[in-house]
Amino acid sequence: DARVTQTPRHKVTEMGQEVTMRCQPILGHNTVFWYRQTMMQGLELLAYFRNRAPLDDSGMPKDRFSAEMPDATLATLKIQPSEPRDSAVYFCASALYNTEAFFGQGTRLTVV
Amino acid sequence: TQLLEQSPQFLSIQEGENLTVYCNSSSVFSSLQWYRQEPGEGPVLLVTVVTGGEVKKLKRLTFQFGDARKDSSLHITAAQPGDTGLYLCAGVAAGNKLTFGGGTRVLVKP
Repeated sequence: DARVTQTPRHKVTEMGQEVTMRCQPILGHNTVFWYRQTMMQGLELLAYFRNRAPLDDSGMPKDRFSAEMPDATLATLKIQPSEPRDSAVYFCASALYNTEAFFGQGTRLTVV
Repeated sequence: TQLLEQSPQFLSIQEGENLTVYCNSSSVFSSLQWYRQEPGEGPVLLVTVVTGGEVKKLKRLTFQFGDARKDSSLHITAAQPGDTGLYLCAGVAAGNKLTFGGGTRVLVKP
């Protein structure tokens, strides 16, 4: 049963701490997306990768956010330092090019 | 401003009623996808429409892609409580980004 796996599912951290979220895309998919979902803004695209190369990260605050794909089975999203306004659900999704995007269950981040 | 505007933002109806959700843009999309998201889960794809004017049916759900490929609609016939959820449209825009609309939250009351 192929699925996108995200860890952790929940994270509560204090302002100023580093947060790392991980995603294992579906094997064989060459496109990975990171989205942030809030009630106010909906689903915002933060970054996406094609064949492990970052294609667009214009939606990401550059000063504190970074996204990488160290290998084809792992994508990471880091926030350093975290702020309360970063509280949201972060979704990773993978796809074969721009066909159906399969989403993970998300990481619910709370920064206090 | 969202590239894809969805309306309405929220819809509450009784079981058995019909509903329509709209997804509009000033941009042309090569394809448009509809997803449904339930609480605590990620969005799940319902359908992809590719051709202008295309109509696809999925049981009681009917999806239509506008002739100019700038807009789409989702119509649910005889809605059931199991149809409750957040409905999202998404399109592939310039730069190959999969961009989502703001979503329509649907509540079907028994």
